[in-house]
Order: sequence, then C-alpha cells, then structure tokens
Amino acid sequence: GNSVTQMEGPVTLSEEAFLTINCTYTATGYPSLFWYVQYPGEGLQLLLKATKADDKGSNKGFEATYRKETTSFHLEKGSVQVSDSAVYFCALNVLTGGGNKLTFGTGTQLKVEL
Amino acid sequence: DAGITQSPRHKVTETGTPVTLRCHQTENHRYMYWYRQDPGHGLRLIHYSYGVKDTDKGEVSDGYSVSRSKTEDFLLTLESATSSQTSVYFCAISESASGGGQFFGPGTRLTVL
Repeated sequence: GNSVTQMEGPVTLSEEAFLTINCTYTATGYPSLFWYVQYPGEGLQLLLKATKADDKGSNKGFEATYRKETTSFHLEKGSVQVSDSAVYFCALNVLTGGGNKLTFGTGTQLKVEL
Repeated sequence: DAGITQSPRHKVTETGTPVTLRCHQTENHRYMYWYRQDPGHGLRLIHYSYGVKDTDKGEVSDGYSVSRSKTEDFLLTLESATSSQTSVYFCAISESASGGGQFFGPGTRLTVL
C-alpha cells in the first residue's frame, strides 16, 4: 500500500534559520507529491506540489524536489520567519478511478522563535 | 481561497446520538472527500465522492455514512456517535483526478461525551 513518513516534531528554529523537513514515501505506481501547511485553528492549505520525478515544487520561499531514486520529497526553506510556524504535512496520491485520494504523513510541527 | 464551508464548526454530543456534518462548495468540483484528523495519525480518509450519488469508502469508514444528492453538498453522518469519533473533521474538494491537489474546508471539531 501507499504510505508517507515524516520526521518527528516539533522542530524549533530561530528566525532566519534554514529549514529541512524530511519526507519519504512508498507507493505503487507513480505518485504525485504534495506539501500542505496547517496554521492553528485552520484547515490545510496546499503549499507546493510535484507530479513527476525530478520536478521541483516551490511557493513562498519553500521548495521540495521529487526524488524517485530515494523516494523522498524533503521540504526546505532558506530563511524561516515566525509566521512560518505551523504544522506541515507531506502527502501523495496515486491516480485511481475513484479520484484524487491523498495519503498523508502524520505532520511535523514547526516553531520559529525570534 | 476555494469556496468550501463546513457546518457546524463545533459540536458537542452524547454517545449514541446521530450526528450529521455538512460540507458545501461553490466551486462546482466533481470530487469531494471527508477526512478526520487525530494526533499522531495525520489525516485519514473516511469517505469520498466522485459525482452526485457516487460515493466510496476510505480507510476509516466504519461507523460513518455519506450522501451526495447535489454537486455542492456532501454530508457525513455518524449513525450512533461513539467517543472514538471525537475528532476534527475536514472536507476537501478537487476538480479532477489528476495531480492538482485538494482544497480543504475550515474543519468541524466534534466532541462525543
């Protein structure tokens, strides 16, 4: 079956530090990969995506590269801000006749301090 | 932001009572999904719909049923609520079965006493 493994949190960083949140996956077929972000009290927002091997998704200074050889999709940001404090979810989908069903990791909480 | 609303946003109920949560979209997307979010589990798919009156089970469907009589509405029913169904429930929509991602509603926090 499909699964996503994320690094345990919480991750605590100082403002302007470099961020990496690891994500690895197992999947049958050729998945698309996603990062979602959840701010306190809100629903999930799509942060970035990649649909095939070697694609790089990017948004708001965040980046992730689809690495088929290592089955990974690590999230990075060069300089985090306090406003980036949130929970980050890695997810994948493999197309089926029933639609765009997502499999999520357990989430990684990021705390950024001044 | 995608036009997705959920109602109610908060609900407290007692064990054994029926509960219905509503998801309403204004995007005319074909696919709709119900997830539950629990600490240590991320989000888990309960049921999904790929068209009006077309629904299927997700990975944690026991104790839940769904209905979709209109494109814009997707209802999740707990026939007889249990304490293990205390959770935050999210509705999501997607336009197609391709890799475009899903858009999520604001969530409903359900507490079963």
